[in-house]
Amino acid sequence: DTEVTQTPKHLVMGMTNKKSLKCEQHMGHRAMYWYKQKAKKPPELMFVYSYEKLSINESVPSRFSPECPNSSLLNLHLHALQPEDSALYLCASSQEVRGVNTEAFFGQGTRLTVV
Amino acid sequence: AQSVTQPDIHITVSEGASLELRCNYSYGATPYLFWYVQSPGQGLQLLLKYFSGDTLVQGIKGFEAEFKRSQSSFNLRKPSVHWSDAAEYFCAVANNAGKSTFGDGTTLTVKP
Repeated sequence: DTEVTQTPKHLVMGMTNKKSLKCEQHMGHRAMYWYKQKAKKPPELMFVYSYEKLSINESVPSRFSPECPNSSLLNLHLHALQPEDSALYLCASSQEVRGVNTEAFFGQGTRLTVV
Repeated sequence: AQSVTQPDIHITVSEGASLELRCNYSYGATPYLFWYVQSPGQGLQLLLKYFSGDTLVQGIKGFEAEFKRSQSSFNLRKPSVHWSDAAEYFCAVANNAGKSTFGDGTTLTVKP
């Protein structure tokens, strides 16, 4: 299994809603990532988890809250989002080999629209 | 700080013609370099990677890339483009911690 699975594929939420994005991988990778991608732009790193611990937070607003319940799962909890947070949210995972994180495998993304 | 520049925002080639997409990087140590392809509304698929060793790397779908340290470049090539290659292409550099920085991307259009 070389897939990273993200659910849901599409999400529309109001600015007062609370929702969660989910990501799952069964490749035994110990690093997992959240990226945000706006239209016609490259992905921007949000968070990195390494061995289920948050290792990188790219100064992301607190209305985005990541969680790594176990080595296969990664969640992104959303609360009080703004319309400008509408984007494609990508999850990725990678293996660590001799202290180096190898190439990232990406999921298909969740298309989020905040209304 | 690491950075990537893809000088060409949009490239159009005829089907069957050769292709070269340019990528220049800035990184203080030995870079880990990648090329990804993305179709509209989809995730990113890895085409190829360079970590060390042979500077000419082969990837999937007939793509190859050459790492040139002296020019800080990692250009992507394909000898004969197919209509299905039309997509967005991203070059990326990563550090040991897995932090990847992407270029702004190059949109490839393939003419019949």
